[in-house]
Amino acid sequence: AQSVAQPEDQVNVAEGNPLTVKCTYSVSGNPYLFWYVQYPNRGLQFLLKYITGDNLVKGSYGFEAEFNKSQTSFHLKKPSALVSDSALYFCAVRHYGNTPLVFGKGTRLSVIA
Amino acid sequence: NAGVTQTPKFQVLKTGQSMTLQCAQDMNHEYMSWYRQDPGMGLRLIHYSVGAGITDQGEVPNGYNVSRSTTEDFPLRLLSAAPSQTSVYFCASSYRGGGRTTDTQYFGPGTRLTVL
Repeated sequence: AQSVAQPEDQVNVAEGNPLTVKCTYSVSGNPYLFWYVQYPNRGLQFLLKYITGDNLVKGSYGFEAEFNKSQTSFHLKKPSALVSDSALYFCAVRHYGNTPLVFGKGTRLSVIA
Repeated sequence: NAGVTQTPKFQVLKTGQSMTLQCAQDMNHEYMSWYRQDPGMGLRLIHYSVGAGITDQGEVPNGYNVSRSTTEDFPLRLLSAAPSQTSVYFCASSYRGGGRTTDTQYFGPGTRLTVL
């Protein structure tokens, strides 16, 4: 069975500092990994995904994520945080076949001015 | 394109009442799914469909029914609402065919349901 762990419920970072939101996964076979963001009272918005190729994936709003197969991780990063980045972030995984997307429990990011 | 639409946005039910949450997409996506979001639980899959006429259960299917008579629509039915079904419900869709499980899922705006 596939699963995703987001070990931090909350991440606080000062505006202008780099941010990292952690994600580890468990899946048989090659993983397809996704990051979504949810702003208050909104649906989920797609940020980026890793399918194959370069381990560093760039996405929307200056976010990027690094796929590390040996550590089964897919951490979300941004070099310089903005207050407007404050939101709930979800990591998700699926593998090839008829499998649905499985989400982590989410990490709330708070960027402080 | 309107994308994924959900109605209603808000709903209050009494225990034992039934209702249908509507979901529609205009992107000709084969794959559609329903999730519920609860604090500290993330998103949990209720039911999903890989095409018209095909549905399957997710992680938390009890108390919910679905059907997929068309590609565009994927309604979620609560037959006898319970307070434990108080949640925010999200519908999502994506392409799924010929191995395109790498395609991105697009989410609707959600339905906030309260069962008293």
